Amino acid sequence: DVKVTQSSRYLVKRTGEKVFLECVQDMDHENMFWYRQDPGLGLRLIYFSYDVKMKEKGDIPEGYSVSREKKERFSLILESASTNQTSMYLCASSRRARGDYGYTFGSGTRLTVV
Amino acid sequence: AQSVSQHNHHVILSEAASLELGCNYSYGGTVNLFWYVQYPGQHLQLLLKYFSGDPLVKGIKGFEAEFIKSKFSFNLRKPSVQWSDTAEYFCAVSSGGYQKVTFGTGTKLQVIP
Repeated sequence: DVKVTQSSRYLVKRTGEKVFLECVQDMDHENMFWYRQDPGLGLRLIYFSYDVKMKEKGDIPEGYSVSREKKERFSLILESASTNQTSMYLCASSRRARGDYGYTFGSGTRLTVV
Repeated sequence: AQSVSQHNHHVILSEAASLELGCNYSYGGTVNLFWYVQYPGQHLQLLLKYFSGDPLVKGIKGFEAEFIKSKFSFNLRKPSVQWSDTAEYFCAVSSGGYQKVTFGTGTKLQVIP
């Protein structure tokens, strides 16, 4: 019954590496989102997409980029990983239909940059 | 930009105690309001949501929340908590298009048997 799948549960990367986090949803949702979750800071929006090939910056886009080539897949890219990007990354999706605003979240990817 | 404040960072209750978690938001226009819950080791789940109509919203597992527009608040309540309610609770708000949601910093609830 998994609906939002994040490709990795745990990742360890080195400083300066290019990192790809993948997210796939099987609910035909139009909207997809990437958040990072840090203790005491809650969830902060990095990027979101409301359609294929469309993207919008969230509150903390610096150091990140995204790609949405297919409706079901939304990728988060760390161009050059740094230690301050060590975090839990959460992907979410939702329908665009008015009144149906609940997110479905993935299980998260815990990224450690060393 | 909208913001969400959760004033309680860590709450410890005994089983059967009543719960109220505070949430205030900053946006003055039309908003949609949510509470999400994250049980230990699990992904975030929607607990309840408010869009319009009755300001008292009932969610899963006996939770409810009341939207008070004049106070910009959306507090979460449960009359009698159980050990299984131990989790982190996030208040969230969205407004405008694209359903972009802003989350609060979360409240960790620990229920002692």
